[in-house]
Formats: sequence, structure tokens, C-alpha cells
Amino acid sequence: QVHLVESGGGVVQPGKSLRLSCAASGFTVSSYAMHWVRQVPGKGLEWVALLSYVADQADYADPVKGRFVVSRDRSTNTFFLQMDNLRVDDSAVYYCARAQSAYAGVDYWGQGTLVAVSS
Amino acid sequence: DIQMTQSPSSLSASVGDRVTITCRASQGIRDDLAWYQQTPGKAPKRLIYAASSLERGVPSRFSGSGSGTEFTLTISSLQPEDFAVYYCLQHNTYPLTFGGGTKVEIK
Repeated sequence: QVHLVESGGGVVQPGKSLRLSCAASGFTVSSYAMHWVRQVPGKGLEWVALLSYVADQADYADPVKGRFVVSRDRSTNTFFLQMDNLRVDDSAVYYCARAQSAYAGVDYWGQGTLVAVSS
Repeated sequence: DIQMTQSPSSLSASVGDRVTITCRASQGIRDDLAWYQQTPGKAPKRLIYAASSLERGVPSRFSGSGSGTEFTLTISSLQPEDFAVYYCLQHNTYPLTFGGGTKVEIK
């Protein structure tokens, strides 16, 4: 059974860094495309980043390019989002999600972790 | 970027009603579209993939149609557990983009 559990969220000041983790079970993260999607509470969904299984290709939404980096650890079957130089408008619930490939839709989601950027 | 225009943004309906939600893409995306249901405090759940294929375990009252730029999600007979927010997602071109959401409320 596919299961995704995010952790690492919290309150952080603008300009600081945070690393989110997504522990996967029931499948191997290195064999799937993995995404981060965020949602301001009460608002819509926004795609943030992709890590494909093909040559570890990564892609990022323009608002986070140059500040966020995705990676994975095959030994722990965990997917990460390193967030640097955080801004107030990065505050949201961050979901990790799985897709069969980079151009397939997301099929499974984690429950999310809340990131609040505030001075 | 491909814009996904979802309508309506909200609707009120009664149990047993037929409900239709539409997503329009700013350019053709073949059938690279999924529909998701989100209830308060929960992660989205996929209902439909490839525009019209029903996810395993999802009730058959849900259906999807469309291709290219116009897509619909239909709930044939609304049930109490269907009151939620629904989103479409295009996965044809990066950045992936979602519709703005449709909140289905009880009349």
C-alpha cells in the first residue's frame, strides 16, 4: 500500500532555510516521478517541483527557482525539498505526491506539512 | 504556462442532483488531465485520470469527459460525502497547473 508522510514543516523567519522530508512506503521513490505541491490554507493548489526518475531530472515553478532544490535518498526511500531564502509568500501546506512518470498525473498524495514564514 | 480555467468556483446542490464542473485549458493538452477531490483538512484524492478513466475504488457516479481544451467532471447523483472541493490538473506541459477549484456545498 502506497503511503507518503511529510515532515519538517514549522515556523521560520524570512530568509532562513527549511528542509522537508517525505518518507515513502509501498513503492520505491527512485522508480517514480515525485512532486511537491503547496496550498495556502483555504486557497488552491500550486505545483512547486518535480524530481523525475529519468536521470534525476528536476524542474521547478518560477517562484521557487534558484531557492528550492529537490532530492531523494534511495537508502531511506525518502524524498526531500530543501527550501532556502524563504519568503512570507512561501507559507503553505506542502504536499509530496507521486506520479508514474513526469508526464503522468499525480496518483498519490501525502497528508502535508505546514510551513509558516513569519518574522 | 497553460492556464486552467475552472467553473463554477462554487455551487450549491442537493443530494441526488446531477453536478457538472468544467475545466478549460488555454491550449490543447490532449487527454492529459486529472480530477481530484479534497475534503477539509485532507490531501487531494484522484477521481479521474487521462480525462475520462475512473480511478479504482471511486464510485461510478463520477465521470470525466473531454479532450484538447474542454473537460468536464460529472457527478450523476450527488451524495452527502461528495460535498468537497474539486480540482483539475493538467500534466501535459510544465509547469503543471491546477484549476482554481470548485467548492460543492449543500443547498
